[in-house]
Amino acid sequence: SQQGEEDPQALSIQEGENATMNCSYKTSINNLQWYRQNSGRGLVHLILIRSNEREKHSGRLRVTLDTSKKSSSLLITASRAADTASYFCRAGNMLTFGGGTRLMVKP
Amino acid sequence: GAGVSQSPSNKVTEKGKDVELRCDPISGHTALYWYRQSLGQGLEFLIYFQGNSAPDKSGLPSDRFSAERTGGSVSTLTIQRTQQEDSAVYLCASSADRGGETQYFGPGTRLLVL
Repeated sequence: SQQGEEDPQALSIQEGENATMNCSYKTSINNLQWYRQNSGRGLVHLILIRSNEREKHSGRLRVTLDTSKKSSSLLITASRAADTASYFCRAGNMLTFGGGTRLMVKP
Repeated sequence: GAGVSQSPSNKVTEKGKDVELRCDPISGHTALYWYRQSLGQGLEFLIYFQGNSAPDKSGLPSDRFSAERTGGSVSTLTIQRTQQEDSAVYLCASSADRGGETQYFGPGTRLLVL
C-alpha cells in the first residue's frame, strides 16, 4: 500500500492566494519529504521535515508535521503562476509516492 | 556530473522492439530507484538498488522488464518486446542511502511505443 497520499488531487487558485495541500501516511516515519514536478519531468526536492519537528519554513513554503495524526501539510504563500506544478510527498524511506496534488495558479 | 543524468531524453520505438534506458546517479550515492509515470498519473515504483544488496524488483510490471546496476553506479533498465502500454516517462533517482533521505531525480526518458 502507498505510504504517502496527497489531497486534494487538484487545486486551482489565483496568483497571490495561498495554496495548501495535505499528505497522509500510515506507519511511523523518521522524516517526510515534499517534492515538486513540472511538466512530467524529474521531481525536485523542496523540503524535508524530521519527525521531531512540527513546522519548517523555506522561503514561501511552510511545512507542518503531525505525527499523532500521521499527516503533513505544505503551504505555499503568495502563490505565483510559476508555482503551477504537481506536488508529491514521500513518507520516510518509502519506495512509493502518492498520486500528487496538481496545482494550477492562474495569473 | 552534479546531478542524475538519464539517456536518451526521448525514445520512439516500434512495438515488439527492445529498448535500453540508462541512468547515471550522483557519484557516491548507494541507492538507485527507477519509476514509471504515465501521462497525468503518479509515479509507479519499478525497482530499487541499494549498494551490493539484491535489488527490490517488486514493482516490475512483467518479466519483459529488467534492470541492472554495474559497479554500483550506472544502471540500465531494459524493456523487451515493447508494448504500446509501456509508453511513459521513466524516471531514475538516487540517494545517499535508503535512510529516508532526499531522492535526487534525473530528467527522465520519455518513451513512445508505436
